[in-house]
Amino acid sequence: DQQVKQNSPSLSVQEGRISILNCDYTNSMFDYFLWYKKYPAEGPTFLISISSIKDKNEDGRFTVFLNKSAKHLSLHIVPSQPGDSAVYFCAALSAGGTSYGKLTFGQGTILTVHP
Amino acid sequence: DAGVIQSPRHEVTEMGQEVTLRCKPISGHNSLFWYRQTMMRGLELLIYFNNNVPIDDSGMPEDRFSAKMPNASFSTLKIQPSEPRDSAVYFCASSFRSTGNTIYFGEGSWLTVV
Repeated sequence: DQQVKQNSPSLSVQEGRISILNCDYTNSMFDYFLWYKKYPAEGPTFLISISSIKDKNEDGRFTVFLNKSAKHLSLHIVPSQPGDSAVYFCAALSAGGTSYGKLTFGQGTILTVHP
Repeated sequence: DAGVIQSPRHEVTEMGQEVTLRCKPISGHNSLFWYRQTMMRGLELLIYFNNNVPIDDSGMPEDRFSAKMPNASFSTLKIQPSEPRDSAVYFCASSFRSTGNTIYFGEGSWLTVV
């Protein structure tokens, strides 16, 4: 039972254009959604998060949108840079009770930004 | 801030041997997590601690796996005896629960059991 899904294994974008990474989830009880970036041989690096009560959060070039009715979120990177090339993981977090900290990850999307 | 520190970064061991992975969380963080990444299952939570107490170990695959957190600045994940199917990257992560919707990961320990 995959509660968090990233249906696109890979995405290729030209430098300067927008990258849109998508994520779907099934559990409406998640409290936060997080995006992580991961380079080979390194640990996941936190990028940006959004509370389940918000619909948008922006931090520099990164914006996350949440559509609760559709159980869908997306990460927008504008403008995309070659250094953004990495694997991007969507994760969902339950913040209460014994489930706290149980980050449920999607499978990841490989983003390649071409110069 | 030094971040979450894990050791060893790489470990190659023979089947049947004991493996101990170590983690130092970010200073001041009160929650610590062990995750495992494999090709088949992706990133999955093994166990997490809050204020040094194990809260949820439902992700620990079997009795060969054990984790301890003797104090706020140190945790171990032990596999005894190790098997080839334990080969994976093991990540430690930490957060500050009261404000914590952000969990910070270490660089990972790459385990190969031959």
